[in-house]
Amino acid sequence: EPEVTQTPSHQVTQMGQEVILRCVPISNHLYFYWYRQILGQKVEFLVSFYNNEISEKSEIFDDQFSVERPDGSNFTLKIRSTKLEDSAMYFCASCQYTEAFFGQGTRLTVV
Amino acid sequence: GESVGLHLPTLSVQEGDNSIINCAYSNSASDYFIWYKQESGKGPQFIIDIRSNMDKRQGQRVTVLLNKTVKHLSLQIAATQPGDSAVYFCAENIDGTASKLTFGTGTRLQVTL
Repeated sequence: EPEVTQTPSHQVTQMGQEVILRCVPISNHLYFYWYRQILGQKVEFLVSFYNNEISEKSEIFDDQFSVERPDGSNFTLKIRSTKLEDSAMYFCASCQYTEAFFGQGTRLTVV
Repeated sequence: GESVGLHLPTLSVQEGDNSIINCAYSNSASDYFIWYKQESGKGPQFIIDIRSNMDKRQGQRVTVLLNKTVKHLSLQIAATQPGDSAVYFCAENIDGTASKLTFGTGTRLQVTL
């Protein structure tokens, strides 16, 4: 069964450092998303991406965040200067029509 | 997936019984609703969805009920199995797609033998 894969599974970084979280969406999907889940809290929408551009973003997705689809397969989330409050699980999802498939997540720990 | 929440409501159900998980949503403009299951160490997994022009939809062992009048969504799981133990989230959207889903806080389902 096709699946969304995310790497790394766990990333520890120092505050102020840049991190790139990577995702390989399902190959024939057209819509891509990043969500995050702070420990003990709800899953929160960050950004959606379609046709090589951001289609929608939340207020969480500020100038420190960026997304990119550098080639035909990868979809990345970059956080330029990480803060302690960026520590969370980050989920990538992709969708062909309506059903979004989520990856296993990357646990980001900012120390 | 880190859906481990210190304050998640928990539903304990005996194996073989039916489970009902409830969700209240706040946006009356929402027209697309999804139930997700999240097992420990995994991302949310799609279970079933429903659009606002329906009030009931059935899948394999699962049924989703939508009451737009009181903005309430429920997930019914028939003959609950140990493998159903997980955190269940409802999610809503206003444009009928999976974009910008608003997730609920989640309910932990514990299946006892």
